[in-house]
Amino acid sequence: SQQGEEDPQALSIQEGENATMNCSYKTSINNLQWYRQNSGRGLVHLILIRSNEREKHSGRLRVTLDTSKKSSSLLITASRAADTASYFCASGGSNYKLTFGKGTLLTVNP
Amino acid sequence: NAGVTQTPKFQVLKTGQSMTLQCAQDMNHEYMSWYRQDPGMGLRLIHYSVGAGITDQGEVPNGYNVSRSTTEDFPLRLLSAAPSQTSVYFCASSYSKGSNEKLFFGSGTQLSVL
Repeated sequence: SQQGEEDPQALSIQEGENATMNCSYKTSINNLQWYRQNSGRGLVHLILIRSNEREKHSGRLRVTLDTSKKSSSLLITASRAADTASYFCASGGSNYKLTFGKGTLLTVNP
Repeated sequence: NAGVTQTPKFQVLKTGQSMTLQCAQDMNHEYMSWYRQDPGMGLRLIHYSVGAGITDQGEVPNGYNVSRSTTEDFPLRLLSAAPSQTSVYFCASSYSKGSNEKLFFGSGTQLSVL
């Protein structure tokens, strides 16, 4: 069964606005990762946050992790048209498997 | 540095045919995996390998075989293709064993089974 679930399924914003996507997972994790997928392409890793971390930044990306609520959020600040893509969270546990959610489709309108 | 290379990019099969999707990485990664991506389903893990000679099943292994004879290659075999296997297939690798490292993805193989 799927470990992660992203919310919302789709998000449409204007260029310059912030975009927030949420992810929930079901069991204990070692880390939570976020990936981006442009249409017709493979996934690209954005950021990894470990279970003992609460917040992490990378450029315009900010990720938070709340292990008590089994949830994470990805914030993209000052969105650009080039940020238009699908965003996936993926949870890593004690086994060798990284489990992906169904993704959020972000559209940034110029 | 090519990263993860998948071939072919597109393939059409008839029901019952067999084929092999190729995946190769040149980063000396221990961990390799195959995912399938279907609309509304996200990515689901088919098989994975933590090193040469070691493979294990993921979430949806039925109808697929894998082997890992070298560190670089991790082919995915469809034994008898079915329409339910129509999907986009991604190969991914990471440096170390386990799920604590980021994955590097190939560009995908779009497979249609008629």
